Amino acid sequence: KAGVTQTPRYLIKTRGQQVTLSCSPISGHRSVSWYQQTPGQGLQFLFEYFSETQRNKGNFPGRFSGRQFSNSRSEMNVSTLELGDSALYLCASSTGQGLWETQYFGPGTRLLVL
Amino acid sequence: SQQGEEDPQALSIQEGENATMNCSYKTSINNLQWYRQNSGRGLVHLILIRSNEREKHSGRLRVTLDTSKKSSSLLITASRAADTASYFCATDIGANSKLTFGKGITLSVRP
Repeated sequence: KAGVTQTPRYLIKTRGQQVTLSCSPISGHRSVSWYQQTPGQGLQFLFEYFSETQRNKGNFPGRFSGRQFSNSRSEMNVSTLELGDSALYLCASSTGQGLWETQYFGPGTRLLVL
Repeated sequence: SQQGEEDPQALSIQEGENATMNCSYKTSINNLQWYRQNSGRGLVHLILIRSNEREKHSGRLRVTLDTSKKSSSLLITASRAADTASYFCATDIGANSKLTFGKGITLSVRP
């Protein structure tokens, strides 16, 4: 099976702009989670989507949003970018149906906000 | 705040030596997982141990879990230069697929 893919891999934006990142999960996986990784805060959970519904949400401002399509592909959007949004954004997929599940991560999108 | 806290923050060993990394967490968990990350890339799942398990092996990896002490350890035996990476423990405490990660341990294996 193909792994989790994320596009784009690298992105440079300026403050105030918005950005959309995309994630394609492993075939058959219905859960997609998003994480932000920064040197200062480490890996932080943004949100999880399962069957097109947001099922879990982390402690991020409303500028961070996401959605999931019927084919389980997911997008996350960050509006009004701030310098502190510069980070590696990782998505992970799983079947979403068990308590003891491995999550499979994509390579990430590295966002730089200038 | 982080649910999992790894210890030490950085570890440097010689190839062939064993590497032991520890993780402590705060609240009851469903399972604990260890992941590896090479140079700012995506995370690779190493091993998952359930809350009712005490020890698990996978190749050169051995993970233990002590729920009474809320701690886990990851042992990599006969380390190789290719094991150089950051290692994270992650706990699953909710009813759904939400992982809470520690800050990670940077392992450097010298050839």
